[in-house]
Amino acid sequence: NAGVTQTPKFQVLKTGQSMTLQCAQDMNHEYMSWYRQDPGMGLRLIHYSVGAGITDQGEVPNGYNVSRSTTEDFPLRLLSAAPSQTSVYFCASSYSPGYTSYTFGSGTRLTVV
Amino acid sequence: SQQGEEDPQALSIQEGENATMNCSYKTSINNLQWYRQNSGRGLVHLILIRSNEREKHSGRLRVTLDTSKKSSSLLITASRAADTASYFCATPEETTDSWGKLQFGAGTQVVVTP
Repeated sequence: NAGVTQTPKFQVLKTGQSMTLQCAQDMNHEYMSWYRQDPGMGLRLIHYSVGAGITDQGEVPNGYNVSRSTTEDFPLRLLSAAPSQTSVYFCASSYSPGYTSYTFGSGTRLTVV
Repeated sequence: SQQGEEDPQALSIQEGENATMNCSYKTSINNLQWYRQNSGRGLVHLILIRSNEREKHSGRLRVTLDTSKKSSSLLITASRAADTASYFCATPEETTDSWGKLQFGAGTQVVVTP
């Protein structure tokens, strides 16, 4: 089924560890983005990309890194995990951001201990 | 920063009743979107209403938009237990040369009891 695929679904990290959250879409969307969702705070934008080779920071980029080598993939890297990064992470893509709806992945629940 | 603010934060109703939630936003928009999130799942797009539209329907959903008041409402008619979810409004952020990143409110948690 066409859509956005995120892996893993769950992850526990120790403080200081690094990891990569994977995101892939098969809809040929140029725009992809990463959000984190914390209780009572809605979704906050971490990083986004408007096409292969182009990325930019969102509202809460510190501690995260992204790259976009292909249209399909947009991985999110945690450089040195901290307990404050415990959250649910969502990847989303859109055909035309600002004009059309977004398609979301099912999320990655990350716990940093 | 959050653009949309939903009201109420939580809503509890019985099956068959209607559920209404509101969203207020701060800046000019070219569209407003509503999403649903079931517990532990990703967000699912419900309706997109453009700034030149006042009302839009999709099945049991009705969305209104009042750009003069910078507000929108989502009505779910004849609610079902399966409508239990969080509902979010979202608006694209206006940038210097285009409309861009989607900004979300904190959401309304709706519980529908049998």
